[in-house]
Amino acid sequence: SAVISQKPSRDICQRGTSLTIQCQVDSQVTMMFWYRQQPGQSLTLIATANQGSEATYESGFVIDKFPISRPNLTFSTLTVSNMSPEDSSIYLCSVEWRGGFNEQFFGPGTRLTVL
Amino acid sequence: KQEVTQIPAALSVPEGENLVLNCSFTDSAIYNLQWFRQDPGKGLTSLLLIQSSQREQTSGRLNASLDKSSGRSTLYIAASQPGDSATYLCAVAGGGKLIFGQGTELSVKP
Repeated sequence: SAVISQKPSRDICQRGTSLTIQCQVDSQVTMMFWYRQQPGQSLTLIATANQGSEATYESGFVIDKFPISRPNLTFSTLTVSNMSPEDSSIYLCSVEWRGGFNEQFFGPGTRLTVL
Repeated sequence: KQEVTQIPAALSVPEGENLVLNCSFTDSAIYNLQWFRQDPGKGLTSLLLIQSSQREQTSGRLNASLDKSSGRSTLYIAASQPGDSATYLCAVAGGGKLIFGQGTELSVKP
Protein backbone atom coordinates (compact mmCIF):
# COMPACT_ATOMS: atom_id res chain seq x y z
CA SER A 1 0.00 0.00 0.00
CA ALA A 2 0.96 3.67 -0.17
CA VAL A 3 1.28 6.24 2.61
CA ILE A 4 0.08 9.67 1.59
CA SER A 5 0.45 13.00 3.37
CA GLN A 6 -1.17 16.34 2.62
CA LYS A 7 -0.33 19.89 3.61
CA PRO A 8 -1.96 21.89 5.02
CA SER A 9 -4.39 19.74 6.98
CA ARG A 10 -6.78 22.68 7.24
CA ASP A 11 -6.89 26.36 6.43
CA ILE A 12 -9.20 29.33 6.65
CA CYS A 13 -8.85 31.71 3.72
CA GLN A 14 -10.31 34.98 2.56
CA ARG A 15 -12.45 35.32 -0.54
CA GLY A 16 -10.42 36.08 -3.68
CA THR A 17 -7.18 34.51 -2.50
CA SER A 18 -5.56 31.23 -3.62
CA LEU A 19 -4.36 28.19 -1.69
CA THR A 20 -1.95 25.50 -2.83
CA ILE A 21 -2.36 22.02 -1.37
CA GLN A 22 0.53 19.59 -1.42
CA CYS A 23 0.33 15.81 -1.71
CA GLN A 24 3.34 13.60 -0.98
CA VAL A 25 3.49 9.82 -1.48
CA ASP A 26 6.06 7.50 0.09
CA SER A 27 6.63 5.56 -3.15
CA GLN A 28 6.58 6.23 -6.86
CA VAL A 29 3.15 6.06 -8.46
CA THR A 30 1.95 6.79 -11.96
CA MET A 31 -1.61 7.88 -11.31
CA MET A 32 -2.56 10.57 -8.80
CA PHE A 33 -6.02 12.03 -8.40
CA TRP A 34 -7.56 15.08 -6.76
CA TYR A 35 -11.08 14.93 -5.27
CA ARG A 36 -13.40 17.44 -3.67
CA GLN A 37 -15.86 16.62 -0.91
CA GLN A 38 -18.34 19.39 -0.28
CA PRO A 39 -20.07 19.55 3.11
CA GLY A 40 -22.38 16.59 3.60
CA GLN A 41 -21.61 15.25 0.13
CA SER A 42 -19.64 12.37 -1.33
CA LEU A 43 -16.41 12.68 -3.28
CA THR A 44 -16.20 14.17 -6.76
CA LEU A 45 -13.15 13.75 -8.97
CA ILE A 46 -11.56 17.05 -9.96
CA ALA A 47 -8.72 15.81 -12.15
CA THR A 48 -6.21 13.08 -12.85
CA ALA A 49 -2.55 14.09 -12.60
CA ASN A 50 0.02 12.01 -14.47
CA GLN A 51 3.71 12.81 -14.30
CA GLY A 52 5.04 14.37 -17.47
CA SER A 53 1.70 15.36 -18.94
CA GLU A 54 -1.06 17.89 -18.43
CA ALA A 55 -3.71 17.04 -15.88
CA THR A 56 -7.01 15.73 -17.19
CA TYR A 57 -9.99 17.61 -15.75
CA GLU A 58 -13.50 16.29 -15.18
CA SER A 59 -16.57 18.06 -16.45
CA GLY A 60 -17.26 21.17 -14.39
CA PHE A 61 -13.64 21.72 -13.36
CA VAL A 62 -11.20 23.96 -15.27
CA ILE A 63 -7.46 24.47 -15.15
CA ASP A 64 -7.71 28.20 -14.46
CA LYS A 65 -9.62 27.52 -11.25
CA PHE A 66 -7.77 24.36 -10.16
CA PRO A 67 -4.23 24.35 -11.62
CA ILE A 68 -2.34 21.14 -10.87
CA SER A 69 1.35 20.35 -10.94
CA ARG A 70 2.94 16.90 -11.03
CA PRO A 71 6.72 17.44 -11.09
CA ASN A 72 7.68 13.84 -10.21
CA LEU A 73 6.29 10.43 -9.33
CA THR A 74 5.84 11.14 -5.60
CA PHE A 75 4.46 14.68 -5.45
CA SER A 76 1.59 16.81 -6.72
CA THR A 77 -0.03 20.12 -5.90
CA LEU A 78 -3.55 21.44 -6.38
CA THR A 79 -4.20 25.17 -6.27
CA VAL A 80 -7.66 26.52 -5.54
CA SER A 81 -7.67 29.95 -7.21
CA ASN A 82 -9.73 33.08 -6.61
CA MET A 83 -11.62 31.34 -3.84
CA SER A 84 -15.23 31.91 -2.91
CA PRO A 85 -17.24 30.46 0.00
CA GLU A 86 -18.55 27.78 -2.41
CA ASP A 87 -15.02 26.36 -2.51
CA SER A 88 -15.24 25.42 1.17
CA SER A 89 -14.70 21.66 1.06
CA ILE A 90 -12.36 18.85 1.96
CA TYR A 91 -9.80 18.31 -0.81
CA LEU A 92 -8.26 14.85 -1.03
CA CYS A 93 -5.53 13.38 -3.13
CA SER A 94 -5.33 9.71 -3.94
CA VAL A 95 -3.00 7.35 -5.76
CA GLU A 96 -3.62 4.22 -7.75
CA TRP A 97 -1.56 1.32 -6.48
CA ARG A 98 -0.67 -1.04 -9.32
CA GLY A 99 0.48 -3.74 -6.94
CA GLY A 100 -3.03 -4.06 -5.56
CA PHE A 101 -5.16 -4.39 -8.66
CA ASN A 102 -5.43 -0.64 -9.09
CA GLU A 103 -6.63 -0.11 -5.54
CA GLN A 104 -6.77 3.57 -4.62
CA PHE A 105 -5.39 4.99 -1.40
CA PHE A 106 -6.28 8.40 -0.06
CA GLY A 107 -4.51 11.11 1.83
CA PRO A 108 -5.93 12.56 5.06
CA GLY A 109 -7.49 15.51 3.24
CA THR A 110 -7.25 19.29 3.49
CA ARG A 111 -10.22 21.02 5.09
CA LEU A 112 -10.66 24.43 3.46
CA THR A 113 -12.96 27.14 4.76
CA VAL A 114 -13.39 30.31 2.69
CA LEU A 115 -14.82 33.37 4.41
CA LYS B 1 -23.20 7.48 -17.09
CA GLN B 2 -22.34 5.38 -14.03
CA GLU B 3 -24.38 6.14 -10.92
CA VAL B 4 -23.75 4.64 -7.50
CA THR B 5 -26.39 4.50 -4.79
CA GLN B 6 -26.02 3.46 -1.16
CA ILE B 7 -28.85 2.41 1.09
CA PRO B 8 -29.55 3.21 3.86
CA ALA B 9 -28.17 6.74 4.19
CA ALA B 10 -27.87 6.27 7.94
CA LEU B 11 -28.02 3.31 10.27
CA SER B 12 -27.97 3.02 14.06
CA VAL B 13 -27.50 -0.37 15.71
CA PRO B 14 -26.67 -1.69 19.18
CA GLU B 15 -23.22 -3.09 19.79
CA GLY B 16 -22.78 -6.72 18.83
CA GLU B 17 -25.28 -6.73 16.00
CA ASN B 18 -24.43 -8.02 12.53
CA LEU B 19 -25.31 -5.58 9.77
CA VAL B 20 -25.37 -5.18 6.00
CA LEU B 21 -24.70 -2.06 3.97
CA ASN B 22 -25.88 -1.93 0.39
CA CYS B 23 -24.39 -0.42 -2.76
CA SER B 24 -25.89 -0.49 -6.25
CA PHE B 25 -24.50 0.73 -9.56
CA THR B 26 -26.10 1.26 -12.95
CA ASP B 27 -23.36 0.13 -15.34
CA SER B 28 -22.05 -3.41 -14.86
CA ALA B 29 -18.89 -2.69 -16.90
CA ILE B 30 -16.73 -2.06 -13.85
CA TYR B 31 -13.05 -2.84 -13.27
CA ASN B 32 -13.35 -3.24 -9.51
CA LEU B 33 -15.31 -2.02 -6.50
CA GLN B 34 -13.85 -0.61 -3.30
CA TRP B 35 -15.35 -0.09 0.12
CA PHE B 36 -13.95 2.76 2.20
CA ARG B 37 -14.42 4.05 5.71
CA GLN B 38 -14.38 7.76 6.52
CA ASP B 39 -14.25 9.14 10.05
CA PRO B 40 -15.65 12.68 10.55
CA GLY B 41 -13.42 15.31 8.96
CA LYS B 42 -10.86 12.72 7.91
CA GLY B 43 -9.62 11.04 4.78
CA LEU B 44 -10.68 7.65 3.44
CA THR B 45 -9.40 4.29 4.63
CA SER B 46 -9.59 1.47 2.11
CA LEU B 47 -11.37 -1.54 3.62
CA LEU B 48 -11.81 -4.03 0.80
CA LEU B 49 -11.34 -4.19 -2.95
CA ILE B 50 -13.24 -6.68 -5.08
CA GLN B 51 -12.05 -7.26 -8.60
CA SER B 52 -14.72 -7.54 -11.28
CA SER B 53 -14.02 -11.27 -11.64
CA GLN B 54 -14.47 -11.95 -7.91
CA ARG B 55 -17.64 -12.62 -5.92
CA GLU B 56 -16.46 -11.67 -2.45
CA GLN B 57 -13.59 -10.55 -0.26
CA THR B 58 -13.09 -10.90 3.47
CA SER B 59 -10.99 -9.01 5.98
CA GLY B 60 -11.48 -9.74 9.64
CA ARG B 61 -15.09 -8.98 10.58
CA LEU B 62 -15.80 -7.50 7.16
CA ASN B 63 -17.10 -9.37 4.14
CA ALA B 64 -17.91 -7.70 0.83
CA SER B 65 -19.79 -9.34 -2.01
CA LEU B 66 -20.19 -8.34 -5.63
CA ASP B 67 -22.89 -9.29 -8.13
CA LYS B 68 -22.01 -7.51 -11.34
CA SER B 69 -24.99 -8.80 -13.29
CA SER B 70 -27.45 -7.22 -10.87
CA GLY B 71 -25.26 -4.18 -10.18
CA ARG B 72 -25.03 -4.77 -6.44
CA SER B 73 -22.49 -5.05 -3.67
CA THR B 74 -22.96 -5.57 0.03
CA LEU B 75 -20.66 -4.96 2.98
CA TYR B 76 -21.34 -7.26 5.91
CA ILE B 77 -20.01 -6.26 9.31
CA ALA B 78 -20.07 -8.97 11.97
CA ALA B 79 -20.35 -8.32 15.69
CA SER B 80 -20.37 -4.54 15.34
CA GLN B 81 -18.43 -2.39 17.81
CA PRO B 82 -18.66 1.31 18.74
CA GLY B 83 -15.34 1.81 16.98
CA ASP B 84 -17.04 0.83 13.71
CA SER B 85 -19.02 4.09 13.82
CA ALA B 86 -18.12 6.01 10.66
CA THR B 87 -19.36 6.72 7.15
CA TYR B 88 -18.92 3.82 4.73
CA LEU B 89 -18.48 4.63 1.07
CA CYS B 90 -18.51 2.31 -1.91
CA ALA B 91 -16.86 3.29 -5.16
CA VAL B 92 -16.80 1.59 -8.54
CA ALA B 93 -13.82 1.83 -10.86
CA GLY B 94 -14.32 2.11 -14.57
CA GLY B 95 -12.99 4.28 -17.35
CA GLY B 96 -9.93 5.09 -15.28
CA LYS B 97 -11.70 6.70 -12.34
CA LEU B 98 -13.70 6.01 -9.19
CA ILE B 99 -17.38 6.90 -8.92
CA PHE B 100 -18.56 7.18 -5.31
CA GLY B 101 -21.88 6.58 -3.65
CA GLN B 102 -23.25 9.03 -1.10
CA GLY B 103 -22.26 6.82 1.81
CA THR B 104 -23.96 5.16 4.76
CA GLU B 105 -23.43 6.82 8.13
CA LEU B 106 -23.18 4.04 10.71
CA SER B 107 -23.58 4.55 14.43
CA VAL B 108 -22.96 1.62 16.78
CA LYS B 109 -24.33 2.26 20.27
CA PRO B 110 -22.61 0.73 23.33
